[in-house]
Amino acid sequence: NAGVMQNPRHLVRRRGQEARLRCSPMKGHSHVYWYRQLPEEGLKFMVYLQKENIIDESGMPKERFSAEFPKEGPSILRIQQVVRGDSAAYFCASSPGQWETQYFGPGTRLLVL
Amino acid sequence: DAKTTQPTSMDCAEGRAANLPCNHSTISGNEYVYWYRQIHSQGPQYIIHGLKNNETNEMASLIITEDRKSSTLILPHATLRDTAVYYCIVRPPSLNFGNEKLTFGTGTRLTIIP
Repeated sequence: NAGVMQNPRHLVRRRGQEARLRCSPMKGHSHVYWYRQLPEEGLKFMVYLQKENIIDESGMPKERFSAEFPKEGPSILRIQQVVRGDSAAYFCASSPGQWETQYFGPGTRLLVL
Repeated sequence: DAKTTQPTSMDCAEGRAANLPCNHSTISGNEYVYWYRQIHSQGPQYIIHGLKNNETNEMASLIITEDRKSSTLILPHATLRDTAVYYCIVRPPSLNFGNEKLTFGTGTRLTIIP
């Protein structure tokens, strides 16, 4: 049973470009969570999604960031007009149901030049 | 959310048991204690969780005090691959909207010494 998959593993963008991060949850999991880890800091929750629904986006910046989890395909975290401060590791987790154990992917490391 | 307190760092000799403490004195009766670890910039790895009773799995044991104000994660025979940052997380009661997220603190940096 494959774990949570994230791609790309590394992403380099110039300021002002768009970044798209993908997350495929574990088989049988329909709940996805995104977390961000800034350099030398702990993980911070960003957004929680179920299929086709955003449940909790309380940790996501109000501008430039968006997330979706379509009926088919991976969850996407989209960052528009990236700035240097967006450089971080972005981790996705999935769970089979609400309030169940979350399992994390390997992360996407975004570097903004 | 109940706050957790962990030592900043610990060392343990290879082959010995590593005992990682966590204080969660404000925990409420229906909050779970979760442990994750992060090995050098990899994704956090789930280890174990418990509510009141002690728990054991193939990775570790979790000992929760009777008053639930603290717990200890035990890695019975530490190896070099157990070097990581270990996070103790108290998860708010289910059925409350917004409590699905995990709140990570600074954790304990465990170094296994050869």
